[in-house]
Amino acid sequence: EPEVTQTPSHQVTQMGQEVILRCVPISNHLYFYWYRQILGQKVEFLVSFYNNEISEKSEIFDDQFSVERPDGSNFTLKIRSTKLEDSAMYFCASLPRAQETQYFGPGTRLLVL
Amino acid sequence: DAKTTQPPSMDCAEGRAANLPCNHSTISGNEYVYWYRQIHSQGPQYIIHGLKNNETNEMASLIITEDRKSSTLILPHATLRDTAVYYCIVRPQTSGSRLTFGEGTQLTVNP
Repeated sequence: EPEVTQTPSHQVTQMGQEVILRCVPISNHLYFYWYRQILGQKVEFLVSFYNNEISEKSEIFDDQFSVERPDGSNFTLKIRSTKLEDSAMYFCASLPRAQETQYFGPGTRLLVL
Repeated sequence: DAKTTQPPSMDCAEGRAANLPCNHSTISGNEYVYWYRQIHSQGPQYIIHGLKNNETNEMASLIITEDRKSSTLILPHATLRDTAVYYCIVRPQTSGSRLTFGEGTQLTVNP
């Protein structure tokens, strides 16, 4: 069964550094999402992406964040200058069509020191 | 999106049915009820969804009341591997909209 994959599974970085989290959505899916979950808290929506542009973003998704689908298969989340509070699990999800359900990847655990 | 209310935790004996309730009294006509679960810190896993009819798949059954203000997820024969946080989410099934997760119900299946 096709799966959403994410790399790396864990990343440790210093505050102020840039990180890029990578996701390979399920082939032929059209909608892509990033969510995050701070330890012990709820899963929070960050951004959705469709037709090569952001379709929706939350208040968390400020200028420090950006998303890209550079080559038609990967979907990336970049954090320009990481802060301590960016430490969280980051989940990618994809959706084949608007009326379907979202499938999540296993997540990347980001730790900012 | 309509707000959902779930009990924070439930216990179930292995092999018995687990019935997880959800209240969504402000649900509107175009909103579906989705259930996901999250095992430890893994990615949320889709279980089932429905609009107004009861639904069943290989994982679970979803019972939605006639007024659609509440629903119950049923795991017919719970196993230890079903221990997880279960999320009831109400979402319009249009435009690829976001999922809004609440606190969910921590289901613990006991041997």
